[in-house]
Amino acid sequence: GIQVEQSPPDLILQEGANSTLRCNFSDSVNNLQWFHQNPWGQLINLFYIPSGTKQNGRLSATTVATERYSLLYISSSQTTDSGVYFCATGFSGGYNKLIFGAGTRLAVHP
Amino acid sequence: DVKVTQSSRYLVKRTGEKVFLECVQDMDHENMFWYRQDPGLGLRLIYFSYDVKMKEKGDIPEGYSVSREKKERFSLILESASTNQTSMYLCASSFYLAGGPLVGDTQYFGPGTRLTVL
Repeated sequence: GIQVEQSPPDLILQEGANSTLRCNFSDSVNNLQWFHQNPWGQLINLFYIPSGTKQNGRLSATTVATERYSLLYISSSQTTDSGVYFCATGFSGGYNKLIFGAGTRLAVHP
Repeated sequence: DVKVTQSSRYLVKRTGEKVFLECVQDMDHENMFWYRQDPGLGLRLIYFSYDVKMKEKGDIPEGYSVSREKKERFSLILESASTNQTSMYLCASSFYLAGGPLVGDTQYFGPGTRLTVL
């Protein structure tokens, strides 16, 4: 089955710093999603990005499907960005079954 | 906004008890999912359903069953709870999209139920 690897596993930042999170996947997929899990456990979908680049405020994501990786950029980080970031991949349409990576745990300090 | 709710945020049960976790979504989604989340392992799919009364095993179905009698409700059942089922359980829903990838094919998650089995 599809393997999903995220790096780094842990990241500590000072408020205002920028960071890049990486997601590598083992097979060709047409569904790639990034999620943020806040410290209370709620998972929020950040991006649906099977290819190309998208931006939403201070966050942006790029997926290069042919090279089987996706990047999540966080600029001018804030303490509210803390939590765990998950990448999930699979095949879009139909059942939409996703395979999740183990996550990157981010702590942003004031 | 999509809303996915779960019946409990925290639950404590004893070994051998039958446990019901309920999930309700209000977006008329066809797909519903149950995951468990454990430290270092990410989210693992237990079961999913793509229609009323339809279910498919995920990656770790052993020890669990599910029920989907109505489109908006998906229940996870632990027939005889064991300590290794202590975990965070997350429910999600999404549209069933035929014919290939479309923008908006996202999964929406509930707040989670942290289950402790003693």
